[in-house]
This record gives sequence, C-alpha cells and structure tokens, in this order.
Amino acid sequence: DADVTQTPRNRITKTGKRIMLECSQTKGHDRMYWYRQDPGLGLRLIYYSFDVKDINKGEISDGYSVSRQAQAKFSLSLESAIPNQTALYFCATSDLARDTGELFFGEGSRLTVL
Amino acid sequence: GQNIDQPTEMTATEGAIVQINCTYQTSGFNGLFWYQQHAGEAPTFLSYNVLDGLEEKGRFSSFLSRSKGYSYLLLKELQMKDSASYLCAVRDSNYQLIWGAGTKLIIKP
Repeated sequence: DADVTQTPRNRITKTGKRIMLECSQTKGHDRMYWYRQDPGLGLRLIYYSFDVKDINKGEISDGYSVSRQAQAKFSLSLESAIPNQTALYFCATSDLARDTGELFFGEGSRLTVL
Repeated sequence: GQNIDQPTEMTATEGAIVQINCTYQTSGFNGLFWYQQHAGEAPTFLSYNVLDGLEEKGRFSSFLSRSKGYSYLLLKELQMKDSASYLCAVRDSNYQLIWGAGTKLIIKP
C-alpha cells in the first residue's frame, strides 16, 4: 500500500459543485501539503500544514480550503468548483527531522470541472 | 520575482549521457532538489544539493553552483525507463519550494 494515499484518484464534476479531496499518510510525518499541477507549469502550492493546529496558505489558495483532521489526514475542499480548477492535485508529506526536507507525494487526484 | 528555468523537452539515445540544466533566481537559497516524474505518476525524489559541487548517486549526478544560480542533473547509461519529466525545485529563504515546469526527457532506442 502507498504511504501517502489520495482519494478519489479521478473525479469529474460540474461547475458550482463542492468537491473534497482526501489525503492520508502512514509515514508519521508532521508536515503535509497540497499542490496542483498544470501542463507547462511548475507545481504550485495551495495550502500546507506543519501540524494539526497549523494551517498556512500557499501561493494559490483562493477558491480552496483545507482541514487537518489528524496528523495523518489533510483534506482539500473546493467549495464551488470552476473549470480553471481542472488540474492534477497532489498531496505530499515531509519529515521535519530530515535535513533535506524531501517531499513524499501521493499518487495524485485528477479533477475535471465541466 | 522568483523563477526556475529548465528546457521543456530533450531527446537522448539509450545508453548515452544527458545533462538537464536548471537556472534559478530566488529570494534566498536553502537547497535545490531534483525529482523524477513518470507520466501520470507522482514525483519522486532524486537528489538534493545545498553546497556547491557534484553529488553522485549511481547513474545520476547533480551539480550545483550557487554563485551562478545553476544546477544540472546528469544521467548516464540511459535506459528506456528513464523516459520521464525531471523537475528542478529551489527552497527559498522562507523555506518554500519554487518549482520549475519540468523537462520531459524522451529516450530513443
């Protein structure tokens, strides 16, 4: 089983619908992140959390919200989806104790908003 | 603004060597990362450089020059499975990762 699990892996929805993407991890890492990836662009940070009580906006947080329900769970919500939120979304974790701070990614959630 | 530049696409031959360049302009520097991403999959960590010089890890090596804002990823003895996108990312003074758009590497037999 993957250490960082995202659900759903694929979702097609309509404009105006509420969507939640869920992420859970078994790595025991404190830090969790949500990124989106669009063709021709680098990964862009939406939100990040360094522990359960810590939530921070990334560079493109407008239109998104998050919830850190537990150390192992970090959910991303689109309250009212719009077509330009069509993208591949990745959850990632990192370990504060590791010098490199490398990220461990989930398998991705492909979202299409019609 | 902050910027990471890397070529959009490169082609190389199986068994050969390829060098993927990355130049960056960021607010501060706290390390440079290379990730590999196969089509439709998650990025996976390849290397990390924080000091100038070459870091070697098997067939892959990564070089950093902080004064020039420059890094490269060197892949030797190319295999078909190396066909993937290679992402360069720099951690800035706020410890935020700035990502390049990635270089798609195509390996031909």
